[in-house]
This record gives sequence, C-alpha cells and structure tokens, in this order.
Amino acid sequence: GAVVSQHPSWVICKSGTSVKIECRSLDFQATTMFWYRQFPKQSLMLMATSNEGSKATYEQGVEKDKFLINHASLTLSTLTVTSAHPEDSSFYICSAREWKINQPQHFGDGTRLSIL
Amino acid sequence: DAKTTQPTSMDCAEGRAANLPCNHSTISGNEYVYWYRQIHSQGPQYIIHGLKNNETNEMASLIITEDRKSSTLILPHATLRDTAVYYCIVRVGNQGGKLIFGQGTELSVKP
Repeated sequence: GAVVSQHPSWVICKSGTSVKIECRSLDFQATTMFWYRQFPKQSLMLMATSNEGSKATYEQGVEKDKFLINHASLTLSTLTVTSAHPEDSSFYICSAREWKINQPQHFGDGTRLSIL
Repeated sequence: DAKTTQPTSMDCAEGRAANLPCNHSTISGNEYVYWYRQIHSQGPQYIIHGLKNNETNEMASLIITEDRKSSTLILPHATLRDTAVYYCIVRVGNQGGKLIFGQGTELSVKP
C-alpha cells in the first residue's frame, strides 16, 4: 500500500530555533499534501494544504509566517516551524494523496516536537 | 463537508465483531464516507471508504444505509491491536477534498 514517510519522528530543541519536518510519499506521486497538528487528548487539526508548485493554503487561525510550507516536488513537502516556542510543542502529522480522483489520503507516523 | 457524529467510546471483547456507528445526516450526494483509525502516538491509518454501496476489504466492512445518513464500520474479529480511536469522515470525492477530523470513537478491545 501507499507509504508516507515523515522525518524526524521526534525532535527536542531550544526556544527560538527553527525546526524543519519532511514528508515524503515513497511509492506514489502526491500532488496534494496536508499538514495537521494534534495536541494531547485532542483530535487532529488541519493546518494547511499544499499543492506541488504553488503556495500552501492555510486554515483560519494558522499563521503562515510561523509555519512555512514548501511542496517543491511531487514526493516531498516540508513544514518549517520558525522561531519555535514552548506553545508550538505538539504532534505534527502529514498526509498525502495521489493525483487520481477519489484516492484516500495516507498519513505519516508523525513528528513529536518539544520546545524547551 | 458534512459533519459526523460518533459515540465517544466503545468496548468490545476480543474475537467478537466490533460495530462502530456513525451518523452523517447532512451528507451530500457527492460525498464519500471514509474511516480511519489512530493507534496511540501514530499517524492515522486508512481503513475503508464508500459512496453508497457496502464495501469490504481485508481490514473491515463498511455498511452504508440506503438513505446514506448513517454507516457502520465492522471489524469482524477484533483483536487487542484494534484498540484505537476510529474516525468517520465525509468528504467530497474530488482531488481538492480535505479530511476534517472529529473526535472519533475510542474503541477498547478487551481480553
């Protein structure tokens, strides 16, 4: 089945640093990728939708200058959390879907980000 | 996209069938029903999806009522590894459709 790889699986860094998370579709081309955030005991919250070769579309309330998304190829999207602070600590999950109509999204295993 | 309503939690005995209900009374004609599950500290896993016909795959069966206002996910022989949060999501079946997660059903499979 379709595989989405996310890296790193976890990261701990100091407040003020920027963190980049990669999301790769390993065996299919993903014209659209999605980024979610999940806090403990809560459901997934969609942050943004990225389309290959164009700017990402952010959900209401998500700061686009804080969460930079790049989708430069059909198999790779990156999320950069800029100047991270403790309140950005969360579980970040990406998903990707094939270009074929009505294909399900497949999710990565998530990145646990802890900002000290 | 239409909203869904699911029970907050359910228990199931190991080896028995787990039947997880979902209400989506405002579903539109072009919206599909998708089921995902999330095991603790992992990304969601795709299970199955359907439009109006019942569907079956190696993981589960999806039963959609004739009026499409509700559906049931069936895990025929639940195991302890099926313990997870199960999400029922409706989404327009085109390339731009995004998945909006509700609170899901926390299924606990007990020995």
